[in-house]
Amino acid sequence: EADIYQTPRYLVIGTGKKITLECSQTMGHDKMYWYQQDPGMELHLIHYSYGVNSTEKGDLSSESTVSRIRTEHFPLTLESARPSHTSQYLCASSGTSGGSTDTQYFGPGTRLTVL
Amino acid sequence: AQSVTQPDIHITVSEGASLELRCNYSYGATPYLFWYVQSPGQGLQLLLKYFSGDTLVQGIKGFEAEFKRSQSSFNLRKPSVHWSDAAEYFCAVGSGTYKYIFGTGTRLKVLA
Repeated sequence: EADIYQTPRYLVIGTGKKITLECSQTMGHDKMYWYQQDPGMELHLIHYSYGVNSTEKGDLSSESTVSRIRTEHFPLTLESARPSHTSQYLCASSGTSGGSTDTQYFGPGTRLTVL
Repeated sequence: AQSVTQPDIHITVSEGASLELRCNYSYGATPYLFWYVQSPGQGLQLLLKYFSGDTLVQGIKGFEAEFKRSQSSFNLRKPSVHWSDAAEYFCAVGSGTYKYIFGTGTRLKVLA
């Protein structure tokens, strides 16, 4: 079972607020990912990281930013939230473990609502 | 271009019936293929994966999938569905740079 955690699970905030979505994993995985998922839709990659101090933007443009200062931690920040940011945000990680390479394990998600 | 297609947006089956969820992909090299399940309000749980070798892959919860290179398919099957299997199912292909491409998902409803 994967050990990847996201907090908060649910967040309702007003427009213009700064928010940080937390993601932590205890598996020692080097790669981490953030996906955005709207209801009934596929997942879109918005950020990924190959390791500490390595971050890249994903396929879907996002106004959020990420950092990777520690292997286990990959927070996502919105400087000024807007209603268009309302979505579910899923964090994932992957690494070479027991011969299984490149399998992504997902956290439970954060459902963000911006009023 | 790399892509994943799940042709069925919704599928309804009766409890105890067999299930097959379709997944077709477009990918230039030998793909890494995955099936995930997502319950409402939850993250994705890995059901099974195919990297190489035996084209019939066994997963958790009694699911299996078969890789058919000639048809570019990786369909998910279960011989007897349980009410707890109601969820959304996503097929994904690994794109070589550790990034995945996901299908749009199939929502499964199970009738008692």
